[in-house]
Amino acid sequence: KNEVEQSPQNLTAQEGEFITINCSYSVGISALHWLQQHPGGGIVSLFMLSSGKKKHGRLIATINIQEKHSSLHITASHPRDSAVYICAVTIQGAQKLVFGQGTRLTINP
Amino acid sequence: NAGVTQTPKFQVLKTGQSMTLQCAQDMNHEYMSWYRQDPGMGLRLIHYSVGAGITDQGEVPNGYNVSRSTTEDFPLRLLSAAPSQTSVYFCASSYGGGAWNIQYFGAGTRLSVL
Repeated sequence: KNEVEQSPQNLTAQEGEFITINCSYSVGISALHWLQQHPGGGIVSLFMLSSGKKKHGRLIATINIQEKHSSLHITASHPRDSAVYICAVTIQGAQKLVFGQGTRLTINP
Repeated sequence: NAGVTQTPKFQVLKTGQSMTLQCAQDMNHEYMSWYRQDPGMGLRLIHYSVGAGITDQGEVPNGYNVSRSTTEDFPLRLLSAAPSQTSVYFCASSYGGGAWNIQYFGAGTRLSVL
């Protein structure tokens, strides 16, 4: 079983819909990262969080340390949000990241 | 500000050839790391470094060597390329001596081994 599990693996929605991507992990962590990768493109960090909630524009990330779960929300989704969203955790006491397999999001106009 | 620069962007090798993937950052980050990304799998850590002169193995280190002689550069060497090393390789860096800060990724190197 992977240490970091994301769901769903694929998500297709219509423009304007509210999007939720989930990430569960099974290890102690010191930080959780949400990353975005456009097709054929590089990887960009969206959020890094260790507790609570962060917001940037239409994107919101939350984490529940007790439940070992994080969610990434996109409000008023747009076709330009189409990308792969990757959850990664920094394992507590280790100096490395472990990644989920990613969620491929497609927003249709 | 260039950020993290990877070269080359594309490379085709024959089995048994060796090559070096270059990674340089201009942000004075202590932590640097190499990942490979394969279809259907998440990014996997190959090697990482917490500062100049210090490197350690990640999840999939076999067939790869690294060194960190300066803060800026963290090259990845393929000793004898194999088809199983066909992948997209990403270098990343972050402030501080661990992976607990925001990660900055290079644009990637797409490698094919024939």
